[in-house]
Amino acid sequence: QVQLQESGPGLVKPSGTLSLTCAVSGGSISSSNWWSWVRQPPGKGLEWIGEIYHSGSTNYNPSLKSRVTISVDKSKNQFSLKLSSVTAADTAVYYCARAAPITMGGDWYFDLWGRGTLVTVSS
Amino acid sequence: EIVLTQSPATLSLSPGERATLSCRASQSVSSYLAWYQQKPGQAPRLLIYDASNRATGIPARFSGSGSGTDFTLTISSLEPEDFAVYYCQQRSNWPPRTTFGQGTKLEIK
Repeated sequence: QVQLQESGPGLVKPSGTLSLTCAVSGGSISSSNWWSWVRQPPGKGLEWIGEIYHSGSTNYNPSLKSRVTISVDKSKNQFSLKLSSVTAADTAVYYCARAAPITMGGDWYFDLWGRGTLVTVSS
Repeated sequence: EIVLTQSPATLSLSPGERATLSCRASQSVSSYLAWYQQKPGQAPRLLIYDASNRATGIPARFSGSGSGTDFTLTISSLEPEDFAVYYCQQRSNWPPRTTFGQGTKLEIK
């Protein structure tokens, strides 16, 4: 079955750029889904960061838009997140997730998640 | 921007009891709302989509209802494994963005 796996540095310095990759296995990233990033600061709730379609079309959370870039690499069947100018407030578990149309013509919901990776922003 | 407000923040119940969790949207989302369960150290899991449809493999004790701005997740008889945090979520088409509620923690009384 399709699985998602996040990878990237667990520690990033303040003012640096956070870079993560989500590898999609058991299925094609070119399927009709939105590929998303969601984060969760320690002890807090879920925050949607943004999403990308295999065509390269993207949508971002307005609160993060100026610092976020999500890209897709179809040859490697993966998508990536870059978050620039990070501060301690960006410390969180970062999840990649698949938003799929569960029913024909229906809305898009997160039916598949990676296990998450903790990224700490600290000098 | 659509804001989702969940209540209560914390719900303390015993196994076997009925749980009722609420999610209110700041404007109508029709029936396009989902519920997720998250246990400590785990990723969220889709429970309910389109307000009232159970996702694959979700036990029948979980049910969702509502439309427009008011939604409810009901767990008919709590099992020990149901104690977790629950989030509601919606995806708007314009502007295209996804929002989550702040979560309800269901704890053992």
